[in-house]
Amino acid sequence: EVQLVESGGGLVQPGRSLRLSCRTSGFSFADSAPTWFRQGPGKTLEWVGFIRSAAYGGAAHYGASVRDRFTISRDDSKGIAYLQMDNLKVEDTAMYFCTRNGFDIWGQGTMVTVSS
Amino acid sequence: DVLMTQSPLYLPVTPGQPASISCSSNETLLYSGGGVYLTWFHQRPGQSPRRLIYKVSNRDSGAPDRFSGSGSDTFFTLKISRVEAEDVGIYYCMQATHSPITFGQGTRLDIK
Repeated sequence: EVQLVESGGGLVQPGRSLRLSCRTSGFSFADSAPTWFRQGPGKTLEWVGFIRSAAYGGAAHYGASVRDRFTISRDDSKGIAYLQMDNLKVEDTAMYFCTRNGFDIWGQGTMVTVSS
Repeated sequence: DVLMTQSPLYLPVTPGQPASISCSSNETLLYSGGGVYLTWFHQRPGQSPRRLIYKVSNRDSGAPDRFSGSGSDTFFTLKISRVEAEDVGIYYCMQATHSPITFGQGTRLDIK
């Protein structure tokens, strides 16, 4: 069974950092391009970014609102994707989801609240 | 960024009746290499999105056959032939033809 499980969310002050994890199982993670999305309270979904597989160069790509502050990485040996979030802002408050290629399976999400 | 516009934003439906949601884009979603990357998701309260339809009209294996997708270029439609109680929630269209990926505002479906 394909599964993605996010973790690492919580309450953090503006300007601080947080790292989210997306643990996967049931498919070939190394061949995939895990993608992060987020959804603010009562809002639509927003693409955060994704990371290519090593076979396609392994580069990460980001949405404009998080570029230069967020970093996506991967550990193919563990089947885990990471989202490192630095210099967090109040507007980063959202549920963060990870998905795999094609967006057919999503994790349950992890909530990040940025507040003083 | 490609703007995705859904209508209606609120859709009350009597069980057993059909329902239709529209989604339009301000740029063609025909990918230069071929294919139209328009996807429909359903999200129930407190849950993650679930993919229903991909590449305009391909229904996911777990999606009931009362759901269908159609459209081309810049205008797309999700149809439910006979609404059931479990269909309540928010429906989103998403384009992945152009970067960045963008979503519609969402259509809330409620049962009358």
